[in-house]
Amino acid sequence: RKEVEQDPGPFNVPEGATVAFNCTYSNSASQSFFWYRQDCRKEPKLLMSVYSSGNEDGRFTAQLNRASQYISLLIRDSKLSDSATYLCVVNYLQFYFGTGTSLTVIP
Amino acid sequence: NAGVTQTPKFQVLKTGQSMTLQCAQDMNHNSMYWYRQDPGMGLRLIYYSASEGTTDKGEVPNGYNVSRLNKREFSLRLESAAPSQTSVYFCASRETSGSGTDTQYFGPGTRLTVL
Repeated sequence: RKEVEQDPGPFNVPEGATVAFNCTYSNSASQSFFWYRQDCRKEPKLLMSVYSSGNEDGRFTAQLNRASQYISLLIRDSKLSDSATYLCVVNYLQFYFGTGTSLTVIP
Repeated sequence: NAGVTQTPKFQVLKTGQSMTLQCAQDMNHNSMYWYRQDPGMGLRLIYYSASEGTTDKGEVPNGYNVSRLNKREFSLRLESAAPSQTSVYFCASRETSGSGTDTQYFGPGTRLTVL
């Protein structure tokens, strides 16, 4: 069983739409959680950490549900520049990466 | 402040050749990592170094060796390259904030093809 699982998509949404990604993790002892963004042929970059209480950064909202072992990312008012692959990352002794969810925002 | 740098950016090798991928960070981070990224597989940890002078195997260490030369530099060596090692290699360093929200910063990657 993979440590981290994500729906690979692709998600194709119009500008201005709201889109949500989910991610599940297998190890209940996982300690910290992140969403990274990766543009085509570029390195992953931290989008936001995910806290148990949920957290928001502008148009982006991240939630963690420890009981169900899943993490979510909500993007509101999608922009063309949000087109990328979004990686779910879980830390337990080492970092485990999901395979990523591809998002394309269409004009 | 360059962050994490990697050289080379691209490399083509023949089966059996050897090479070293270089990585350096200027953020004074203790921990450094080497990952490979393959289509449909996500990033997989090859080796990591929690601090200067220590290295440990990750998920896919076979066929690789590493050296933590000093706090700044962490190199990855392929002794006898195989086509299965064709991949994109990322180096990362880690900030330990103490709050539990450890953050990794990645280099731009090395695209390696083994023929």
